[in-house]
Amino acid sequence: EAGVAQSPRYKIIEKRQSVAFWCNPISGHATLYWYQQILGQGPKLLIQFQNNGVVDDSQLPKDRFSAERLKGVDSTLKIQPAKLEDSAVYLCASSPGRRVGTEAFFGQGTRLTVV
Amino acid sequence: KQEVTQIPAALSVPEGENLVLNCSFTDSAIYNLQWFRQDPGKGLTSLLLIQSSQREQTSGRLNASLDKSSGRSTLYIAASQPGDSATYLCAVRGLNAGGTSYGKLTFGQGTILTVHP
Repeated sequence: EAGVAQSPRYKIIEKRQSVAFWCNPISGHATLYWYQQILGQGPKLLIQFQNNGVVDDSQLPKDRFSAERLKGVDSTLKIQPAKLEDSAVYLCASSPGRRVGTEAFFGQGTRLTVV
Repeated sequence: KQEVTQIPAALSVPEGENLVLNCSFTDSAIYNLQWFRQDPGKGLTSLLLIQSSQREQTSGRLNASLDKSSGRSTLYIAASQPGDSATYLCAVRGLNAGGTSYGKLTFGQGTILTVHP
């Protein structure tokens, strides 16, 4: 079974530029998460989708971050414009719907450096 | 608001030792708890998942326990090996208003484990 796929693996941009990350969850998984992990800290939830609807985006900086999940499958996370403090690893995860089980599976992450 | 704390922040042990990592959470209304391993520069690998109705789960040399009422979980690693060196993260899944499993996964800060030969 293929895991959660993320791209790119690494990205370096200048502040005030824009960037987009892509995630392809495990096939059939209804729930998709985007997490931000700053060096030395635990992951922080940015947004959670259930199919193509948003369940929780309370910690998403909506003035600069946006995310969408088209047709309830792939998802993109965008930052525009980027700030220095956005340097982090962005992790995507997916889990099945509640009838199947709720173990979360993570991708390898995208490491963003803003200079 | 759920808060998850992991103690210790870092741990260094000689090979062969048994060790315990601790995780505590403030809101006991959880659906499940999951332990992850993270190697440097890598994503998270799921180690064990404990449902709220369970007391423990075992996988090989790993054993995780859950005491929901006191808001605590422990990860026990037997006969540690240098290959166990990594950051260990615990995460709890809260319940949403309907009592389903759509609640968000909240992470602790992690415990950095070093096992030296």
